[in-house]
Amino acid sequence: HSVLTQPPSASAAPGQRVSISCSGSTSDIGSNVVNWYRQIPGTAPKLLMYSNNLRPSGVPDRFYGSKSGTSASLAISGLRSEDEADYFCAAWDDNLNGLVFGGGTRVTVL
Amino acid sequence: QVQLVQSGAEVRKPGASVKVSCKASGYNFTAYYMTWMRQAPGQGPEWMGWINPSSGGTNYAQRFQGRVSMTSDTSINTAHMELTRLRSDDTAVYYCARVRGLGLDYWGQGTLVTVSS
Repeated sequence: HSVLTQPPSASAAPGQRVSISCSGSTSDIGSNVVNWYRQIPGTAPKLLMYSNNLRPSGVPDRFYGSKSGTSASLAISGLRSEDEADYFCAAWDDNLNGLVFGGGTRVTVL
Repeated sequence: QVQLVQSGAEVRKPGASVKVSCKASGYNFTAYYMTWMRQAPGQGPEWMGWINPSSGGTNYAQRFQGRVSMTSDTSINTAHMELTRLRSDDTAVYYCARVRGLGLDYWGQGTLVTVSS
């Protein structure tokens, strides 16, 4: 039922860079900011990035967010084993008048 | 420190109702909206709606209209979410989260609701 589209998985070796895409439409990503959440299986999600590219306190600058048109992306550089988690994008949808999420991307460190 | 502590796991039969609570501490409860989401296994979160604890005003996701009710008790800094006419596909982990600006900055630990006959 996810409105935003993410690849189900992404992987890279330690120290490398991985990028996660999030595709939406003109009513969600195209009109509103994107936030990203990180979730360790079995625990609650945590805010990782807000307003497209702003990091909450404590999030390292290895994490970088961007948005263009109706798509957004999250990049993780200098990949570490502790970066293994599920990553979700989210945005407000003007047509649905609600918050919509992506289905999540599981990042694996090879 | 900000904490959101949710009530424990629930098991219900189809057609029944469930009420999940979310007790906030460490901040001014009435200063931030509270949102509710659920997450089925292997899926992304699904937004259910939010409540303004200060006014009691709510905004529910269209697909839950008529089945969900969100309330808040400012005397005990607690938000509640009640879902009625439960179906098996309502089985999920339900989360409350504080809304700050454009993000959900603190989340509860989650409450597993299982709907089974």
